[in-house]
Amino acid sequence: ELKVEQNPLFLSMQEGKNYTIYCNYSTTSDRLYWYRQDPGKSLESLFVLLSNGAVKQEGRLMASLDTKARLSTLHITAAVHDLSATYFCAVGLVTGTASKLTFGTGTRLQVTL
Amino acid sequence: DGGITQSPKYLFRKEGQNVTLSCEQNLNHDAMYWYRQDPGQGLRLIYYSQIVNDFQKGDIAEGYSVSREKKESFPLTVTSAQKNPTAFYLCASRPTAGGLSGNTIYFGEGSWLTVV
Repeated sequence: ELKVEQNPLFLSMQEGKNYTIYCNYSTTSDRLYWYRQDPGKSLESLFVLLSNGAVKQEGRLMASLDTKARLSTLHITAAVHDLSATYFCAVGLVTGTASKLTFGTGTRLQVTL
Repeated sequence: DGGITQSPKYLFRKEGQNVTLSCEQNLNHDAMYWYRQDPGQGLRLIYYSQIVNDFQKGDIAEGYSVSREKKESFPLTVTSAQKNPTAFYLCASRPTAGGLSGNTIYFGEGSWLTVV
């Protein structure tokens, strides 16, 4: 059974600081997704990482994937209040013709002034 | 506009009743998914469908049922057998059913179900 673990579960950080969210998973996979969720809202896709060593950046967020270590990171640079949200990683598995995502528990990020 | 439409957004159910949550997509996506999210928790997969007239159980299918009679529609029924149905339900879709494609999975706006 695929397990996806994120840490930390909760992160309070000051504006302007840097931090990293970690996503570990238990089964070999070469696709990793990051999503953002605002309170009471749906999920917004941030990144899709498809290969070992993949790195993608959008604004103050940068995601990377190490398939050998079964680890993805989401790095936040110079945080701003607008980044406050819950961030989920999700691991994709393909078995036969079926493809599904298993989500981590989420990291709730609070950026304070 | 293309997207995934879930309805209703808010639903109250009495104990012992079945309710059906609607999910419609006009993205021409093959695969569709239903997830459940409890407050402060991650998402758990209920059912998924790769093609019309076919669907598979996810991790928490007990007490739920689905159908996939049309490509664009994937309704979820929460039956009275689901003992704790109060949650946020999210429908999602993906362009291709499987293979090695890394297509993004897109989510609807969600439906809040509360048992009263």
